[in-house]
Parts: sequence; C-alpha cells; structure tokens
Amino acid sequence: QLQLQESGPGLVKPSETLSLTCTVSGGSISSSSYYWGWIRQPPGKGLEWIGSIYYSGSTYYNPSLKSRVTISVDTSKNQFSLKLSSVTAADTAVYYCARLAQDMVATITYFDYWGQGTLVTVSS
Amino acid sequence: SSELTQDPAVSVALGQTVRITCQGDSLRSYYASWYQQKPGQAPVLVIYGKNNRPSGIPDRFSGSSSGNTASLTITGAQAEDEADYYCKSRDSSGNHWVFGGGTKLTVL
Repeated sequence: QLQLQESGPGLVKPSETLSLTCTVSGGSISSSSYYWGWIRQPPGKGLEWIGSIYYSGSTYYNPSLKSRVTISVDTSKNQFSLKLSSVTAADTAVYYCARLAQDMVATITYFDYWGQGTLVTVSS
Repeated sequence: SSELTQDPAVSVALGQTVRITCQGDSLRSYYASWYQQKPGQAPVLVIYGKNNRPSGIPDRFSGSSSGNTASLTITGAQAEDEADYYCKSRDSSGNHWVFGGGTKLTVL
C-alpha cells in the first residue's frame, strides 16, 4: 500500500522560506506513470493546487504562486520537496502531498493517494 | 478565483439522491475527479474519469459529464456521506490543475 508522509517545521516566520518534504513508501517515486503534487488548504477554506513534479524533474506550478514556489525530487531517497519563499500569514495552511495519476492521453488526472497533511503556521 | 465553480452548499434527505455539480470551460476537454473530505481528514478520491470508482468507494457514488459541467451523484445518501466535496481538473491551458471551491453536503 502506497503511503505518503509530509514532514517539516510547523511554524515559519514571515518573510522566510517554508520547506516541506514528502516521503513516499510502498512504491517508487520514479514510476513513469505518475506525477507528484503539493496541495494546501487554509483553515476553513478550500483546496488549492500548489504544483506538481515528474520524476524526471519536470515541474508545473500554480501561476498565482509560481514566483515563490520550487518543487524538487530526490529519487535516491524516494522523496519530493516544496519550498515556498517570502511567506506571509496568508500561507498558513494544511499542506498535503499526493500522487497524481493520469491516463494515456492525459485527459483523466486524479490524486489517488494523499498524505495526512501537516499544518504550517506563519507567525512571528 | 477558481476556474471550476461549485455550489457552496447542498442538502439531501437521508436515503435520497443528490447531485453535486462542477462547471468550467476546461471540462469540455478534460475529465473531473471528485474528492470527499471530512473534518480533520485528508481528501479521499471518490470518482475519476468518465465514471470510475477507486476500490472501497461505495457504488452509490457515480459521476457524469456533459459539456462544461461535471456531476457527482450520490444515490441513497447516507449519514456518513456528510462532508465537503471538491472537483478537480486541468485548467483551460491544460498545463495546470485546479480545484473547485467545494460543496458542503448536509444529510438531513
């Protein structure tokens, strides 16, 4: 059974960089069938896609966050990571990592496995 | 603002059928997937593609799509179906993914 686990600081100061890692177990992050993604959810609000990465390193970012986001992959550790720079209180959220599956022609995409989520609070 | 639009709240009587909709131009080209989220829990995939259910999802959940609208139907809603439901698809460019704003389902 595939499992994903987010890790990283739960408290980040304003203007600093938020860094999270997602460790994948029970399967290989290097599978050509999947992308890997980060999604966040501010308290009491909806889900927001942050970005996704392929094992080769190809990345796709939410245009509204693109200038501040970097997602990377470490296949040797079966991990992928998120960095969000210049954070403000508006970046306070539960951050999820998830596996993104797609069909052969990429018209069907879905997040089929999710981590439990980790709350990151931006505060001084 | 989200490129996928959902009604903020929907209610259904226990045992009745409810449809939750998701509208967006990108749905003319890409299928939606649907997620159920209960308080304090991670989202769970319930429907993807034309009408596919992951293992373990009850068959009372079904999906459909027409034009720019995707729908999630729960036939015979149960108390445990009370949750927030989100649709997700690619955006109009096809290079990004986007979630709908979510629909809070209340089972009366």
